[in-house]
Amino acid sequence: SQELEQSPQSLIVQEGKNLTINCTSSKTLYGLYWYKQKYGEGLIFLMMLQKGGEEKSHEKITAKLDEKKQQSSLHITASQPSHAGIYLCGADKPSDGLTFGKGTHLIIQP
Amino acid sequence: GAGVSQSPSNKVTEKGKDVELRCDPISGHTALYWYRQSLGQGLEFLIYFQGNSAPDKSGLPSDRFSAERTGGSVSTLTIQRTQQEDSAVYLCASSWTRTGELFFGEGSRLTVL
Repeated sequence: SQELEQSPQSLIVQEGKNLTINCTSSKTLYGLYWYKQKYGEGLIFLMMLQKGGEEKSHEKITAKLDEKKQQSSLHITASQPSHAGIYLCGADKPSDGLTFGKGTHLIIQP
Repeated sequence: GAGVSQSPSNKVTEKGKDVELRCDPISGHTALYWYRQSLGQGLEFLIYFQGNSAPDKSGLPSDRFSAERTGGSVSTLTIQRTQQEDSAVYLCASSWTRTGELFFGEGSRLTVL
């Protein structure tokens, strides 16, 4: 089955600082999804990456998928309190449902 | 409604009882997923429905868990003879196709005493 490892498991960052979250797969990714979950709420779709080397940005969040399509990174620039939450990467495989990593807990300190 | 609707939002039950959790996906979405999220953990895939195809049940943790999707729309996740380790938030998601953005419900929080 698809194994997704996220790192770090948790991250405390001072407001205004940049940060990076990583997602590594044991197998080639056909599609990589990033979601955000605010504590006690549902998941919100951030971005989807499919092509090796692809990079997408939305506001201050940039996600990249490496050329080998086995690793993705999520980078937040000038972090704000609104960025706090759990970030989950999900992988898409032709034969299985969408599976997720265990998530990265992000805390923004004012 | 505009989004994925789940009910109940909270359920407290006694060990050994059966529970049913309901998911009403976004109208027209052919794909429907059930996930489980235990405290402090990521999402655990349970089951996936795509149109009229046989569901992918590979994530169901035991035969006490079952799910059905009637008429390609509403889905019910049933847990029989609940155990304390079944306590978790059960999330439902739907999408237009098998791939692409998933739209999640707010979840059903199950507590087994």
